[in-house]
Amino acid sequence: DAGITQSPRHKVTETGTPVTLRCHQTENHRYMYWYRQDPGHGLRLIHYSYGVKDTDKGEVSDGYSVSRSKTEDFLLTLESATSSQTSVYFCAIRRTGNTGELFFGEGSRLTVL
Amino acid sequence: QKEVEQDPGPLSVPEGAIVSLNCTYSNSAFQYFMWYRQYSRKGPELLMYTYSSGNKEDGRFTAQVDKSSKYISLFIRDSQPSDSATYLCAIGGSGGSNYKLTFGKGTLLTVNP
Repeated sequence: DAGITQSPRHKVTETGTPVTLRCHQTENHRYMYWYRQDPGHGLRLIHYSYGVKDTDKGEVSDGYSVSRSKTEDFLLTLESATSSQTSVYFCAIRRTGNTGELFFGEGSRLTVL
Repeated sequence: QKEVEQDPGPLSVPEGAIVSLNCTYSNSAFQYFMWYRQYSRKGPELLMYTYSSGNKEDGRFTAQVDKSSKYISLFIRDSQPSDSATYLCAIGGSGGSNYKLTFGKGTLLTVNP
């Protein structure tokens, strides 16, 4: 158990509405990541954070923003959700100590109608 | 050329078979090599991790890395129905604040009793 909690676990929303997904960790690790997973595409990086207020874009960042105001929480926001953002979103952490592995949460399933 | 290529399968084998899963990658700077297992509707869980060429064994699982060919493999011996899952290869760069993992698309494995 990597001590990661994602919320909400399931959400259905309508096109054009804002959505925020939350990732909470209990172990105080510096690095946190948001990936999305879609059939035929695998896991793709949206944004990542390497410290409080330090974030950077991944390969599919358009339409998403993130914030990290404290170590334990990493928020992913869809300002105006579109149907193409229907996906399963995974948060991950990299444990302190410069090891390469990421540990994942259980996912948040988002449907945009 | 994508950074990480993985045959998506699906792959169906009888119980007890030896399974071979493979990925190729294009960036010789990659240093960290991982295999994740993902059961349906769950988050990816780390199965094997290595940062050097050669073999690493853990029970019925063997991970193999050939940096000269940019090729990684996962072998499963005496496969069991409980091994039925999607297997994802993941490769990481040189570390630092911009460290991230790039994933293959995953191979769906079914082990038939």
